[in-house]
Amino acid sequence: DQQVKQNSPSLSVQEGRISILNCDYTNSMFDYFLWYKKYPAEGPTFLISISSIKDKNEDGRFTVFLNKSAKHLSLHIVPSQPGDSAVYFCAASPILTGGGNKLTFGTGTQLKVEL
Amino acid sequence: SAVISQKPSRDICQRGTSLTIQCQVDSQVTMMFWYRQQPGQSLTLIATANQGSEATYESGFVIDKFPISRPNLTFSTLTVSNMSPEDSSIYLCSVETGAWFEQFFGPGTRLTVL
Repeated sequence: DQQVKQNSPSLSVQEGRISILNCDYTNSMFDYFLWYKKYPAEGPTFLISISSIKDKNEDGRFTVFLNKSAKHLSLHIVPSQPGDSAVYFCAASPILTGGGNKLTFGTGTQLKVEL
Repeated sequence: SAVISQKPSRDICQRGTSLTIQCQVDSQVTMMFWYRQQPGQSLTLIATANQGSEATYESGFVIDKFPISRPNLTFSTLTVSNMSPEDSSIYLCSVETGAWFEQFFGPGTRLTVL
């Protein structure tokens, strides 16, 4: 049972335009959501996160939106740059006391930013 | 943040053998995690490793198949035992630092089992 879903395996966007990556989840216990970016032959790198008490978090060109009632979040990248071409993973976790919060990942979306 | 290295970066192994993957962190961390990414799949948590205690395994993963050591706060190993071609994956370790929920990942070990 895939609790975190990224239904678009790939996305192609022109440089300078907005990239929108989507993620849906089914587990209502998830309270914290993260986006990771992964280049080939490298481990995922943390990009941005949001807790369930917020509906938006912004960091530079990256904004994450959370619609808790729809169990949906999205990552907006604007403007998109060729260096943004990578696989983007959505991840989610319930909030556990004492650390050790277990991340459940989506299957990823390959973003290609074209010149 | 944390800088994480893994050894080996890749390996090709024969069916029935075992491989031990090392994960080294540049700072002391309490929680370390081991993940697997099968071809075309998402990252799946194998186990959580705390220093000084037994690793906690996720559903579908057992200690006999994936024994883990955590001898100190900067190092851990994952062994993939009695390998089969289905174990061909990228294996990644990650650590949880003081920043809430933000896990930092190593570069991964690409394992191919023939």
